[in-house]
Amino acid sequence: GENVEQHPSTLSVQEGDSAVIKCTYSDSASNYFPWYKQELGKGPQLIIDIRSNVGEKKDQRIAVTLNKTAKHFSLHITETQPEDSAVYFCAASPYSGGYQKVTFGTGTKLQVIP
Amino acid sequence: SAVISQKPSRDICQRGTSLTIQCQVDSQVTMMFWYRQQPGQSLTLIATANQGSEATYESGFVIDKFPISRPNLTFSTLTVSNMSPEDSSIYLCSVAPHNEQFFGPGTRLTVL
Repeated sequence: GENVEQHPSTLSVQEGDSAVIKCTYSDSASNYFPWYKQELGKGPQLIIDIRSNVGEKKDQRIAVTLNKTAKHFSLHITETQPEDSAVYFCAASPYSGGYQKVTFGTGTKLQVIP
Repeated sequence: SAVISQKPSRDICQRGTSLTIQCQVDSQVTMMFWYRQQPGQSLTLIATANQGSEATYESGFVIDKFPISRPNLTFSTLTVSNMSPEDSSIYLCSVAPHNEQFFGPGTRLTVL
């Protein structure tokens, strides 16, 4: 099955700086790569995703890049704000058995220091 | 997107008892997913539930411990049976309309 590794496990940045979280996956059949933000006491919230037919996607201050050959993908947050502080999960997903079977990374706790 | 609600939001239970968690979605979905998130950990898929059929369990999870019902296209329940302190976790319901996966707010379970 799919195995997703995520680094770093914790990340502290000054407000206004950029944050980068990196993930690798093992299953070459994975074709969907979502990123989730989980705030304390809440369920994960989908913030951006990318499919294997594109190499980069951007949504305001958030961007995701995908390198299919190397099997890694990254989340970039620019101009970080204190409200960006949360745990971020990457995930990789092949389409199998009629649905996207999602495997999550281990999470990155991001702290944005005002 | 999909709006998902779960009940209860949290509970404290005694070992040996059972708890049933409810999940309600604001639209009809074919599949519903149940995840477990142990303290400080990532999300692990427990099972996938299709309406009108038996749930499909992932390795390490069995129906006797985590029975699931899926009576219609907007509702599902997960029961955590014969609980032990190791079952203390957040249990999350999820749906994936149009192949984008959304999560409910979770049920935080503490077993004493």
